[in-house]
Amino acid sequence: EAQVTQNPRYLITVTGKKLTVTCSQNMNHEYMSWYRQDPGLGLRQIYYSMNVEVTDKGDVPEGYKVSRKEKRNFPLILESPSPNQTSLYFCASRKGGAVNEQFFGPGTRLTVL
Amino acid sequence: KQEVTQIPAALSVPEGENLVLNCSFTDSAIYNLQWFRQDPGKGLTSLLLIQSSQREQTSGRLNASLDKSSGRSTLYIAASQPGDSATYLCAVAPRAGNNRKLIWGLGTSLGVNP
Repeated sequence: EAQVTQNPRYLITVTGKKLTVTCSQNMNHEYMSWYRQDPGLGLRQIYYSMNVEVTDKGDVPEGYKVSRKEKRNFPLILESPSPNQTSLYFCASRKGGAVNEQFFGPGTRLTVL
Repeated sequence: KQEVTQIPAALSVPEGENLVLNCSFTDSAIYNLQWFRQDPGKGLTSLLLIQSSQREQTSGRLNASLDKSSGRSTLYIAASQPGDSATYLCAVAPRAGNNRKLIWGLGTSLGVNP
């Protein structure tokens, strides 16, 4: 089954404790991205990747890191999480080219205390 | 700068009604427009994607239209059911910029009452 998977689905952590949210897709998509969703602000892009070893900042990159060492994986790293990073996070992927449909993972609910 | 607006923010209808959700965007230079469904606390499911050269797309009881010149799209849901209750989001893929990121509306929260 074609899908985007994220882990963990739910995470409660404390300020400053490094964490990684994994994202993997099995559709051989070139383009992957991370979004956060907050009430009243909608979906905002954090980072994106056009292909392996090619990543760039989205609208709200502060406090996040990403890497793209393999085509299928695009982990999101929070080196020192803070309470304002409490949010619902989504990973997405699509084939290269802007006309293609975007597929989303199930989301990761992160709470930083 | 591309902006996407969805009105109304919330809508409640009785089961069986036909309904229309609206999405407007400010810049007609787009590759496509996508409609998504989001259930509470869950991920996004793609419903329909309309390419800029298309006028409409249909899937089951759903029909999405696109009028690029007026910057509008509608999602028509026929014979609504309680299971249609969810938040519906539209997003456009703008031609401007290298990122090719989607620009999102804030969604319409739909409740269908039995």
